[in-house]
Amino acid sequence: AQTVTQSQPEMSVQEAETVTLSCTYDTSENNYYLFWYKQPPSRQMILVIRQEAYKQQNATENRFSVNFQKAAKSFSLKISDSQLGDTAMYFCAFRQLNAGGTSYGKLTFGQGTILTVHP
Amino acid sequence: GAVVSQHPSWVICKSGTSVKIECRSLDFQATTMFWYRQFPKQSLMLMATSNEGSKATYEQGVEKDKFLINHASLTLSTLTVTSAHPEDSSFYICSARVGTLYNEQFFGPGTRLTVL
Repeated sequence: AQTVTQSQPEMSVQEAETVTLSCTYDTSENNYYLFWYKQPPSRQMILVIRQEAYKQQNATENRFSVNFQKAAKSFSLKISDSQLGDTAMYFCAFRQLNAGGTSYGKLTFGQGTILTVHP
Repeated sequence: GAVVSQHPSWVICKSGTSVKIECRSLDFQATTMFWYRQFPKQSLMLMATSNEGSKATYEQGVEKDKFLINHASLTLSTLTVTSAHPEDSSFYICSARVGTLYNEQFFGPGTRLTVL
């Protein structure tokens, strides 16, 4: 079974600074997707960024980027120029793909990291 | 992105009563829907996966007779908490996905259930 571990229960950062959230995962599979989701105080889950395991290039979405280290099974999220609206709980998630490359099924979530951005 | 709605957004009920939560995909047809439970400051726990027209698959430890899931159409899934008790109080989130080729799940805004 796959497991996802986020070892930082809480983090804080000053506005405009950069912060990195850690995530490690454990799987014996080779084909999978990794995700970072954001859950602000409204509790609506929002997809931040997605990484396909077969791609070596790290995914980037504006101020959000990942450091994907497949051999180390590490998938960290870097938030640059932090904004007050980035305050949220962040979840790392994993989904296995089957041999055909189609989605196997359920997302496995990490424990979450509560990020607070201070003015 | 695609929109998933949930109704109600919050509900308070008496112990022993049943509560139904609706999850709708508003602008797409969801072949698969997922139901999660979340306690404060904790992760999402998958309760069950439902495919349109077939019985839901429940995760280990989730009582299927207590948490009834129906996915009768491609745009609607319902979760009924039967004979609710205070320990069922939680935040329930549904999520929907189109087919198997798309790897993004779209999440509803959640329903807060409080059982008195």
